[in-house]
Amino acid sequence: GENVEQHPSTLSVQEGDSAVIKCTYSDSASNYFPWYKQELGKGPQLIIDIRSNVGEKKDQRIAVTLNKTAKHFSLHITETQPEDSAVYFCAASTGTASKLTFGTGTRLQVTL
Amino acid sequence: KAGVTQTPRYLIKTRGQQVTLSCSPISGHRSVSWYQQTPGQGLQFLFEYFSETQRNKGNFPGRFSGRQFSNSRSEMNVSTLELGDSALYLCASSTGGTTTNEQFFGPGTRLTVL
Repeated sequence: GENVEQHPSTLSVQEGDSAVIKCTYSDSASNYFPWYKQELGKGPQLIIDIRSNVGEKKDQRIAVTLNKTAKHFSLHITETQPEDSAVYFCAASTGTASKLTFGTGTRLQVTL
Repeated sequence: KAGVTQTPRYLIKTRGQQVTLSCSPISGHRSVSWYQQTPGQGLQFLFEYFSETQRNKGNFPGRFSGRQFSNSRSEMNVSTLELGDSALYLCASSTGGTTTNEQFFGPGTRLTVL
């Protein structure tokens, strides 16, 4: 089955700096890659996603890039703010299935 | 539009008991997926229901089961609870169409097994 690896497990940046989280996947048939943000005591919140026919997608301070050949995708957050502090999960899905395979999460801390 | 709701939010049970968790999807969404989140195993897919039928299943024992009603609300049941079943159980809803759709998660039910 699909396996998704995520790095780093923790990331500390200063406010205003950029943060990058990277994921690799194993199943070349995967075609949907969402990113979720989970705050303490809450469920994961979808923040951005990308499909396999697109190489990059941007939404304000958040961008995701996908390299199908290398089977990896990354989340980029620019101009980080304290409210960006949370755990971020990448995930992958194959075909029309709703089954998401998640990475192990990255705890992002934005310090003042 | 209201988000995904899950009840109850917290639950404490003892080993051997059974438990039923409930999920109401976003209005108009027909697919409900369930996930288990633990510190050790992370987020793992349990199963997905679409139009009252189980469409996908993860690698969990038969003690974990679910169902979906005609109004798309879903329940999951865990029988003969074990200590290792302590986890945050999340449900996610999506439109469930023929292409991979965005999934929106509820706040989860925190289950503690003593």
